[in-house]
Amino acid sequence: SQQGEEDPQALSIQEGENATMNCSYKTSINNLQWYRQNSGRGLVHLILIRSNEREKHSGRLRVTLDTSKKSSSLLITASRAADTASYFCATGTGANNLFFGTGTRLTVIP
Amino acid sequence: SAVISQKPSRDICQRGTSLTIQCQVDSQVTMMFWYRQQPGQSLTLIATANQGSEATYESGFVIDKFPISRPNLTFSTLTVSNMSPEDSSIYLCSVSDRPNEKLFFGSGTQLSVL
Repeated sequence: SQQGEEDPQALSIQEGENATMNCSYKTSINNLQWYRQNSGRGLVHLILIRSNEREKHSGRLRVTLDTSKKSSSLLITASRAADTASYFCATGTGANNLFFGTGTRLTVIP
Repeated sequence: SAVISQKPSRDICQRGTSLTIQCQVDSQVTMMFWYRQQPGQSLTLIATANQGSEATYESGFVIDKFPISRPNLTFSTLTVSNMSPEDSSIYLCSVSDRPNEKLFFGSGTQLSVL
């Protein structure tokens, strides 16, 4: 399967703490993307990192990519209750060839 | 960015019936996709909706079960036909205007089949 796998499957932290989730994949990619899904609704794109990039920041988000290990991590700093959601990585070679990981369910406790 | 309106947001249907889900985008987009998310699972691509031609289905999905229309660059429908309880899922419309860029998603249709 080309599907990525997130680790951990579930994560519970206190508000203000940092949350780190990891994604591993199996095939060559053009880019890796992270999405958030609130309460089983539509996904929201968070950040895209290209295969020739190693780190990218967006607000409180930091993404790293290690193509040699076929892995990526998403760090959310200073977490808030509103960050409670499921987070998915997506990998592939194009929009019509995008595979979503199994997801990490993050709970931020106020 | 693209704003996507997906309808209905949820429905409860009887076994053997069909449901058509609509996806309306506020701008013309090249690519439209339909995904399924089974309970507690990740997203699986059903098909790519092609404007003016038959949709391209992924392995495990067939046109008779999931007929798709795309009459123009801003609208598509997915029909879930002859439903069974195994079809209970969230169905998501998504779009992209560039091949290697991000996807925009509709808010999803929560389908329950009794």
